[in-house]
Amino acid sequence: NAGVTQTPKFQVLKTGQSMTLQCAQDMNHNSMYWYRQDPGMGLRLIYYSASEGTTDKGEVPNGYNVSRLNKREFSLRLESAAPSQTSVYFCAVRPDGSYEQYFGPGTRLTVT
Amino acid sequence: GEDVEQSLFLSVREGDSSVINCTYTDSSSTYLYWYKQEPGAGLQLLTYIFSNMDMKQDQRLTVLLNKKDKHLSLRIADTQTGDSAIYFCAERRQGGKLIFGQGTELSVKP
Repeated sequence: NAGVTQTPKFQVLKTGQSMTLQCAQDMNHNSMYWYRQDPGMGLRLIYYSASEGTTDKGEVPNGYNVSRLNKREFSLRLESAAPSQTSVYFCAVRPDGSYEQYFGPGTRLTVT
Repeated sequence: GEDVEQSLFLSVREGDSSVINCTYTDSSSTYLYWYKQEPGAGLQLLTYIFSNMDMKQDQRLTVLLNKKDKHLSLRIADTQTGDSAIYFCAERRQGGKLIFGQGTELSVKP
């Protein structure tokens, strides 16, 4: 997974609970991304960060917040989880100067 | 991912060639990608092609790009059971954002 780690691997939440998904890279790249994957829909971009301290909305940002406090970590927060947020969440990193994105192993989230 | 379209399933016999097709809509896309996802795993970048190229070959993989028709294909020669996976095409948009297709599930029968 090109040095991209995600925690936790699995999580079950009740509706209304909050949690933070963590993503970390062991490189020093600027660009990081959060996607969600739902059956039959491919991956959709939630938020991305072009550099430390900056974040931008993707296709499906509603219900999520992100934080990029340092270069290494990019976290995704669900303030009040809903069943519609049941999905597999992937973090990705794009090495500086390249056009490739490398993905972490994913976090499988179920909201009941 | 509604701007990038793929057929959902493809079944081939071991040893045959597989061709996975993709259509995209943004003519300004500069790079197009193929990713592979095995069950329960993340996405693995297989190959990518720059928009000014027509073809790229990498061992058993051949990528063909028809910019006029906005059509991308991935050919896997001598398909093996280990190639069974979901294959995603993606186009690169402004800011480095990737827009993915729905994925094509490739099933390889012995």
